[in-house]
Parts: sequence; C-alpha cells; structure tokens
Amino acid sequence: ETGVTQTPRHLVMGMTNKKSLKCEQHLGHNAMYWYKQSAKKPLELMFVYNFKEQTENNSVPSRFSPECPNSSHLFLHLHTLQPEDSALYLCASSQDMGSAYGYTFGSGTRLTVV
Amino acid sequence: GQNIDQPTEMTATEGAIVQINCTYQTSGFNGLFWYQQHAGEAPTFLSYNVLDGLEEKGRFSSFLSRSKGYSYLLLKELQMKDSASYLCAVWQDGNNRLAFGKGNQVVVIP
Repeated sequence: ETGVTQTPRHLVMGMTNKKSLKCEQHLGHNAMYWYKQSAKKPLELMFVYNFKEQTENNSVPSRFSPECPNSSHLFLHLHTLQPEDSALYLCASSQDMGSAYGYTFGSGTRLTVV
Repeated sequence: GQNIDQPTEMTATEGAIVQINCTYQTSGFNGLFWYQQHAGEAPTFLSYNVLDGLEEKGRFSSFLSRSKGYSYLLLKELQMKDSASYLCAVWQDGNNRLAFGKGNQVVVIP
C-alpha cells in the first residue's frame, strides 16, 4: 500500500462501453497525474492536476476525460476506446507540481479493450 | 525534447551484482530518480540524485554524472525479490514533470 489507491485493479471493456477509473490519495498532496504504461514503452504522461485544476493535457484523445473533484480524488472517464488503448493506467501524486521529490504511484488499473 | 535510454532486459544470478545504466538528454534537469516496479504493482521510489557522485542505500547504490548525462543503479547481493523493472526518470526543471525511460527488466535466477 503506497498511499495512492486505484480501482478497479483490472477492467475489461468493449469499444462501445463507458467506464471510469478512480484514484484516491490521502497523503495531503496537491498534484495528481494520470500516466499510461504500455509494454516496452516509457510511461506516458496524460493529464496533470494541481490544486484540482487541470494544468496539462498531453495531447490525449477526447475519448479519455479526466475529472478532479478535490485534491484527494482523480477520475479517468473512458468511452468508445480502441484496442490500442489497452494498457496499465497509473495514477500518481506529489506534494505539488514544483516538487522535485518524485511521485507516489498507485498500483494501476490494467485495462483491456476488446 | 527528451530522450532517456535504458537497456530493456538483463538476467543475473542470485547473490551477484548488477549495474543498470541510464543515459539521458533532456531539456532542463533537476535530478534523477530510480523506481522499482514489480509486475502488477506500483512503481516505488528507490533513489534520487541531483549532484554528481554515488548515493548508497543498503544493497542499492545510484550514481550520477551530469556532465555525461549518465546514471547507473547498482544492485548488490541480488535476491530473487529483486526481479522487477527498474525505471529511470529525470525531473525536468521548468516543465515540472518527471520524464521516464522504458524501464529495465531484471530477472534474477537461482
């Protein structure tokens, strides 16, 4: 347990489904991140939130829609995904965006799009 | 721009020493991190280097040369539980973000 909790751990969804990934942290951190981790590729930054405000959308397709209702919770809403979106989706948090002390990661949601 | 390069996989014997290299070319630098990630689990923090030199922490040590854009993670007295992916990440000053390499999968065999 790292202090960042992601649910569900595994998700299989059809291309026409709508689902949501959830991330929760009670570390008192103010910045939260969504990363995509595909096999043999570096972690790809998707979205950044700082004090609940989205500060970065790293050219992510609109079929991924983030939501940050408060500093402790982050969601990733998914709809009409493609098979190539199958990956491990990692949530991370840090004290704030300027923190050079690294991130605390959740265990991820393993997403399979069929 | 950014380019962070790590070998993709290596195999080593229990009790041995393994060195995992990372070279980087990034726009802005304010430190380098090493994370360990077991299959299906969260990446967990191992070390942070911002100044040149060696940082030792138990069986793990990390080295940085800023002028060469180079770091390595040294794992001593390998144990089976050390089988994992090791991620190198650079903190990009100015962007305020961590840029990751692809990770190096270390397999420890008896």
